[in-house]
Amino acid sequence: KQEVTQIPAALSVPEGENLVLNCSFTDSAIYNLQWFRQDPGKGLTSLLLIQSSQREQTSGRLNASLDKSSGRSTLYIAASQPGDSATYLCAVMTGANNLFFGTGTRLTVIP
Amino acid sequence: ETGVTQSPTHLIKTRGQQVTLRCSSQSGHNTVSWYQQALGQGPQFIFQYYREEENGRGNFPPRFSGLQFPNYSSELNVNALELDDSALYLCASSPWNGQASYEQYFGPGTRLTVT
Repeated sequence: KQEVTQIPAALSVPEGENLVLNCSFTDSAIYNLQWFRQDPGKGLTSLLLIQSSQREQTSGRLNASLDKSSGRSTLYIAASQPGDSATYLCAVMTGANNLFFGTGTRLTVIP
Repeated sequence: ETGVTQSPTHLIKTRGQQVTLRCSSQSGHNTVSWYQQALGQGPQFIFQYYREEENGRGNFPPRFSGLQFPNYSSELNVNALELDDSALYLCASSPWNGQASYEQYFGPGTRLTVT
């Protein structure tokens, strides 16, 4: 059974700092990996999608990498801002076209 | 292009009652997946509907059931509500063709509270 782990569970950084969020998964037979952002009590906003054949994706200040063989992904956020404060979730898609999620990293960026 | 919408936004029910949650998929998407997110946890897959048929189910009991309509909108029904059913229910749509993987687009969720 696929299990997704995110470390750390919570992270607090001063504004302007670069940071890395980690995601690991137990079964490397995935189709893709998505990173989402979730604000308190709200739905999920997709940030980046990496197909299994890709190594990384970039969008603005965000860069996500994928190492399928080792079951790892990282989300790099450059020059963090207070508006980046949210919970970040990673999810892997299996052949059944459903997503397995981690429990998230709660990020606080201090002004 | 209209995104994924869900109704209602919030709902309070009593233990033992039944509830129906609704989801309208994004235009052009034929697949709807439902997820349950308990407080402080990541979403968990409940089931998926593809072209009006159930196409995969997570580890949820039969009192969780669903439907997909010809316009690809979907309902999630939960019977005999239990306190542990209190959660944020998310639906996601995608233009799946039965083979390749596609990005899933999530709605804002329905917050269900069972008292």
